[in-house]
Amino acid sequence: GNSVTQMEGPVTLSEEAFLTINCTYTATGYPSLFWYVQYPGEGLQLLLKATKADDKGSNKGFEATYRKETTSFHLEKGSVQVSDSAVYFCALSDNYGQNFVFGPGTRLSVLP
Amino acid sequence: KAGVTQTPRYLIKTRGQQVTLSCSPISGHRSVSWYQQTPGQGLQFLFEYFSETQRNKGNFPGRFSGRQFSNSRSEMNVSTLELGDSALYLCASSPSVGGSTDTQYFGPGTRLTVL
Repeated sequence: GNSVTQMEGPVTLSEEAFLTINCTYTATGYPSLFWYVQYPGEGLQLLLKATKADDKGSNKGFEATYRKETTSFHLEKGSVQVSDSAVYFCALSDNYGQNFVFGPGTRLSVLP
Repeated sequence: KAGVTQTPRYLIKTRGQQVTLSCSPISGHRSVSWYQQTPGQGLQFLFEYFSETQRNKGNFPGRFSGRQFSNSRSEMNVSTLELGDSALYLCASSPSVGGSTDTQYFGPGTRLTVL
């Protein structure tokens, strides 16, 4: 079945550092890929998405590129802020009407 | 447009009781999914409803059930509560079911504590 694997956390960075959170997936066909973010005490918010190979999703300085050859969708940001501290979830939705599959989440802490 | 709303936000119950959680999707959205989030298991899919029909179901015991009404609002019910049911229950809505471009929009969740 479909699955999503994320790098183990927690990730702790200093403000203005470069961020990469790795995400790889297993799925049949051509799934859509998503990054969601969950701030403390809140539900999940869509951060960005990509629906086909080589698409780049971007939002709030975050970017991720859909790489079908490596089945990856790594999240990057050039300069993180303290306000980026949250849990980040990689997810996929396939083309066959099946439910979303989420990765385990990666907790990011950004120190001033 | 109003987001996904969930009520109540917090609940405290004791073992053996039952509980009903409610979710109102974004206006016009017809698909509602439920997830259980715990520190140990992460986000686990419970079930998905579309046009009052259960479309998909996760690997949870029969104590967990749900339904969807004609206005797309959804409820989930947990009977005979166990300590392990303590979790954040998240509801998400999307315009339709499945498809490669659908995005799920999440509510703030209901925090259930079972004592």
